[in-house]
Amino acid sequence: DTEVTQTPKHLVMGMTNKKSLKCEQHMGHRAMYWYKQKAKKPPELMFVYSYEKLSINESVPSRFSPECPNSSLLNLHLHALQPEDSALYLCASSQRSGSGYTFGSGTRLTVV
Amino acid sequence: AQSVSQHNHHVILSEAASLELGCNYSYGGTVNLFWYVQYPGQHLQLLLKYFSGDPLVKGIKGFEAEFIKSKFSFNLRKPSVQWSDTAEYFCAVNAIGIGAGKSTFGDGTTLTVKP
Repeated sequence: DTEVTQTPKHLVMGMTNKKSLKCEQHMGHRAMYWYKQKAKKPPELMFVYSYEKLSINESVPSRFSPECPNSSLLNLHLHALQPEDSALYLCASSQRSGSGYTFGSGTRLTVV
Repeated sequence: AQSVSQHNHHVILSEAASLELGCNYSYGGTVNLFWYVQYPGQHLQLLLKYFSGDPLVKGIKGFEAEFIKSKFSFNLRKPSVQWSDTAEYFCAVNAIGIGAGKSTFGDGTTLTVKP
């Protein structure tokens, strides 16, 4: 298995909703990442988990809450989002910190 | 903090033309360097990577890149492009010892290959 699987593929949520994005990999990678990508822009790093511990939080607002239940899973919990948070949310993993990423196909989030 | 600059925002080529996309980074220390490609409607894929050793690295689909340390550059090349190479290309840099594996991406170059 050489993939990163993200669910759901599309999500529409209201500003008062709580939802979660899920990411799963079975490549034995020990680093996992959340990136946000707006249209025609590069991915922007949000969070890095290394060996299931949060190692980087790029000053992301607290309405985004990451969780790494085990070495294969990464969640992003969403609460009270704003319309400007609408974007493609990408999960990635790498064998170790600093090596190349395997990206998932992303969750396209729309906040209404 | 490291930054990555891709000079060409949009490149339009005819099939069989040669390609070179520029990438420069700003960081004086040791780096890992990457090129990623995003085909229309698809997710980002790793095209090639440089960690150490031979500065000329070969990737998938006939792409190669050359690391020139003195110029802080990692340009992507392909001798003869195909229509199927139409995509967005991102250069990324990971500064060793900084940021625990964080990669910084350039703004991307849109490549359009005309048949």
